[in-house]
Amino acid sequence: GIQVEQSPPDLILQEGANSTLRCNFSDSVNNLQWFHQNPWGQLINLFYIPSGTKQNGRLSATTVATERYSLLYISSSQTTDSGVYFCAVAIAAGNKLTFGGGTRVLVKP
Amino acid sequence: GAVVSQHPSWVICKSGTSVKIECRSLDFQATTMFWYRQFPKQSLMLMATSNEGSKATYEQGVEKDKFLINHASLTLSTLTVTSAHPEDSSFYICSARGRASASGGSYNEQFFGPGTRLTVL
Repeated sequence: GIQVEQSPPDLILQEGANSTLRCNFSDSVNNLQWFHQNPWGQLINLFYIPSGTKQNGRLSATTVATERYSLLYISSSQTTDSGVYFCAVAIAAGNKLTFGGGTRVLVKP
Repeated sequence: GAVVSQHPSWVICKSGTSVKIECRSLDFQATTMFWYRQFPKQSLMLMATSNEGSKATYEQGVEKDKFLINHASLTLSTLTVTSAHPEDSSFYICSARGRASASGGSYNEQFFGPGTRLTVL
């Protein structure tokens, strides 16, 4: 099956710093989503981005499908950005998502 | 739009009992729902894919007789953990595939419920 690798596994930031999270995948994908899992376990949809670039406030994401990677940018980080960020992909329309291992982010005040 | 609910949010049960978890799409119709399990400090692992009106498709290694899935309507799927044991203790999360209501968006996008934390004593 498809392999999804996220880096770095852990990230500690000072409040106000910028950061980049990476997601590499091993096959062509039809779906790529970024999520933020909050401390209570809820997965929050950040981006649906099988290709291209999107921005939402302080967050933006870019997927280069031909090179099989996606990047999530966090700018001016806040303590509320702490949590685990997951990338998940599917290889066919509407197909099951395969999750990466996640990046655990801690933003210190 | 695109809200998915789960009930209960947490449950504690005795070993050998059965537990039912409900997953509902509140503002859209979901022809496909998915069930995941997450152990502490690990990623989400897909257990099964549930299509409305048909039998669920289970991932390799997931016992279909232990984890019963019913997707009786376009807005409701249930997961029943039968004869639960302590090793079944985990965080169970459902997702639904559908179009975000007001803003359009892709039918491929999945939306997740808040999860159910199961503890088996």
